[in-house]
Amino acid sequence: NAGVMQNPRHLVRRRGQEARLRCSPMKGHSHVYWYRQLPEEGLKFMVYLQKENIIDESGMPKERFSAEFPKEGPSILRIQQVVRGDSAAYFCASSPYTNTEAFFGQGTRLTVV
Amino acid sequence: AQRVTQPEKLLSVFKGAPVELKCNYSYSGSPELFWYVQYSRQRLQLLLRHISRESIKGFTADLNKGETSFHLKKPFAQEEDSAMYYCALSGPMDSNYQLIWGAGTKLIIKP
Repeated sequence: NAGVMQNPRHLVRRRGQEARLRCSPMKGHSHVYWYRQLPEEGLKFMVYLQKENIIDESGMPKERFSAEFPKEGPSILRIQQVVRGDSAAYFCASSPYTNTEAFFGQGTRLTVV
Repeated sequence: AQRVTQPEKLLSVFKGAPVELKCNYSYSGSPELFWYVQYSRQRLQLLLRHISRESIKGFTADLNKGETSFHLKKPFAQEEDSAMYYCALSGPMDSNYQLIWGAGTKLIIKP
């Protein structure tokens, strides 16, 4: 099992562009979680998805951010019209069931220039 | 407010010396505390949780409710312990993903 795979590892975008971050959960895991780590801060929960459903998006900014976890393919975190403040490390985690240990990916470091 | 504080951004110790990574928390209730570790170029992974009362890779952590602390300790540091360490907290009714995280401490073990 290759573990949770995130790509790209590093992403540079100019202000106003779109950023797409991908997360492939571990085999057999249908629960996916996204976190953001701003510089000098701890991880902050953003969104929890199950296949084709958003379960909890209480940590997602109201505008420009969206997430999906389609029936086939990876989960996508999409940030439209990026701003400098979006520069952060974005982590994805997955688990086989709810309320079990989640396994993390290596993260995507987004830099907005 | 619920908060996890790791006062040291960076901790550097010599191989063989004792290590203590500090974690203080603020929570009105009985939280569950965790330590996560991220080695260079690897994934963030759970190191230990206080309810397990286990020792992993020689590390232990005791929950001190009086001092609201959950410091991570190891009596003799090894070079492979160099990594980022994160302390995290969840409430008893919280789901597994609703953790409150500290900002992390970078541990460097010098040869």
